[in-house]
Amino acid sequence: SQTIHQWPATLVQPVGSPLSLECTVEGTSNPNLYWYRQAAGRGLQLLFYSVGIGQISSEVPQNLSASRPQDRQFILSSKKLLLSDSGFYLCAWGQGQNTIYFGEGSWLTVV
Amino acid sequence: GQQLNQSPQSMFIQEGEDVSMNCTSSSIFNTWLWYKQDPGEGPVLLIALYKAGELTSNGRLTAQFGITRKDSFLNISASIPSDVGIYFCAGHLLGGGADGLTFGKGTHLIIQP
Repeated sequence: SQTIHQWPATLVQPVGSPLSLECTVEGTSNPNLYWYRQAAGRGLQLLFYSVGIGQISSEVPQNLSASRPQDRQFILSSKKLLLSDSGFYLCAWGQGQNTIYFGEGSWLTVV
Repeated sequence: GQQLNQSPQSMFIQEGEDVSMNCTSSSIFNTWLWYKQDPGEGPVLLIALYKAGELTSNGRLTAQFGITRKDSFLNISASIPSDVGIYFCAGHLLGGGADGLTFGKGTHLIIQP
C-alpha cells in the first residue's frame, strides 16, 4: 500500500532563517505531488504541484519554492522566512481518479 | 478560481444525532471527495465519488455525487464523540488538470455528550 510521510512535524524558526520541509511517498511511482498551506484549521491553499521530476508549478507568488529531486520526493523551501509564512503545511500525493492523499502535516511557527 | 460553497460552517449537535452537510458549486465536477481532519493532523479521505448520482457508504457515513455534478452531500448517522473534527468537501473540475482539487472551507462538527 502507498504511504506518505512528511517532516519535521513541528518547526519554530526565526524570521530570515531558511526552511526545508521534506515529503516522501512510498508504494507508487510517478505520483502527482502537492504542497498545501492551511491557516486557522481550515482553508486549504494549493502552493505547488508537480507531475514529474524537476517539474514544478506554482499557484501563488510567495516567499517559498519547491523542488522534486527524485520521483517520490517533494521539498518545500525558503531562503528567508517571513512571519506570514507561519502555518500548517501539508504534502499530498495523487495518481489518476483525481483523488489525493495527505501527509501528517508540518506546523511552522516563524518568530 | 472556482469555489465550493460548503455548509454549514459549524454544527453543534448531541451525541447520537444524525448529521448532514453539503457542498455546491456553479461549476461541473467529475470527482467529489470528502475528508475529515482532526486537530493538528492531515485530512483523511473518507469517501470518493466518481460518477453523477453515485451513492457511497463507509460505515455510518454516506455521501452522494449530485446528479447535476454541481453538488454533493455527506451524512453521518448516529454521531459519536470521535466524529468531532473538520469535514472538507473537495472536487476536481471537469476538464481540470493535475493541479489538484478545489476545496470547501470546511464544516466544523462539535458533539455534545
